[in-house]
Parts: sequence; C-alpha cells; structure tokens
Amino acid sequence: EAGVTQFPSHSVIEKGQTVTLRCDPISGHDNLYWYRRVMGKEIKFLLHFVKESKQDESGMPNNRFLAERTGGTYSTLKVQPAELEDSGVYFCASSQVRSIGRTGGNYGYTFGSGTRLTVV
Amino acid sequence: GQQLNQSPQSMFIQEGEDVSMNCTSSSIFNTWLWYKQDPGEGPVLLIALYKAGELTSNGRLTAQFGITRKDSFLNISASIPSDVGIYFCAGTNYGGSQGNLIFGKGTKLSVKP
Repeated sequence: EAGVTQFPSHSVIEKGQTVTLRCDPISGHDNLYWYRRVMGKEIKFLLHFVKESKQDESGMPNNRFLAERTGGTYSTLKVQPAELEDSGVYFCASSQVRSIGRTGGNYGYTFGSGTRLTVV
Repeated sequence: GQQLNQSPQSMFIQEGEDVSMNCTSSSIFNTWLWYKQDPGEGPVLLIALYKAGELTSNGRLTAQFGITRKDSFLNISASIPSDVGIYFCAGTNYGGSQGNLIFGKGTKLSVKP
C-alpha cells in the first residue's frame, strides 16, 4: 500500500508569506495527525482529525495555523503569515486502528517523510 | 504539559558496540513507544510497550517499560552502520483510542565502521 505522502518536501519562504502543506494519508485511514519538530527539539503534536472532524487541536501554536481535511481524505496545513519561529519539519501521520492494541506489534501510526519549512 | 527527558542527546560509538538510551517522565504513561528517524524520512516505529515491566525485543533491539510507568529504555546490541539515525521515545495515555504522542527530544546515534 502507498504510504503517507507529504508535499512539498521542502519549502523556503519569507517572513510574512503564506505556505500550505499537504498530507495524503494512507487510503482508508480515518485518523490523521499533524506534528512538528523544531530543530533540536522534540516532535510536538499539533492536531488530530478523525475523518473530516478535528478531534483534538490542542497543539496548534496560534491562529496563524489553519488545518483542514475536506471530505476526510487529504489534509492541508496553512501558515499565514509565516514567522521565523515556524521553521521546522512538519510531519503528518495516519492510522486506522482506534484502539491501542497488539496488531502484530504495530501501533498503527504511519508517518510521512515530512515537509521541511524554512522561514527567512 | 507532559514532557519526556531523553538521554543521551547524542552518541558516537564504534561498530559492534552496544548502545543504551532512556527516557523519563514526571508523569505516568500507559504506553511507551520507540521510533527511529533516518535522514529525510519520517519516524518509523521500532518497539511498542503496553504494560509496566514489559521487556520486548525486535532483533538486536530490546526495550523495557519501567515498573513505575514513568520511564523506558532502549538497548541496541552489536551496532552496525545502518543503525545511524535519531531515536525518539514517545508516550501516550490514550488507552482506548489513539491520541497524540508525547515525544522526547531524540538521541542522535553515529556509528563508526
């Protein structure tokens, strides 16, 4: 099966500009997550979609960040206007299993390769 | 919010050596996970631990869920060059459904052939 796909892989923008990141989850996965890693720091949760609904957006830094998941398929994360501190790697992950359990040792979370965002 | 302290931050070892890294938390988790990230890729799950005291192996990797539920370690035996990467611990408390993960800052492993 195809994995989680993120686009673009890299983006360099100027402070004040707008950037939109896209995530295509594994087909059929209802759960979609956005995470971010700022250089040298931990990977931090941003938000969680179940289908098209936001289940948990407690990690979104501020109202410059807007995430959507129209139709419960792919998701976009828009940063507007971008600031220097928004630089980092943005990861998307998807899963289908709702319960944590042993499914061949697989927790069920699959991460994409990330989008490296640099704001200059 | 909850935070994980992961150590060491980085390790430089010789091929064939064993590696040990650990994570501690000020609060309890009911699931601990260990991920590896290769350059340019996303984290990939190595081992998942669901029960306090549990010791689980995956090839040359062994991880344990601490009895207090506040810590976990990962050991890699007989390291090889392809073990290079960043290793992350992660914890979660969503027992009945998958929720967000709390990650450590990562341990960057370098292996000298």
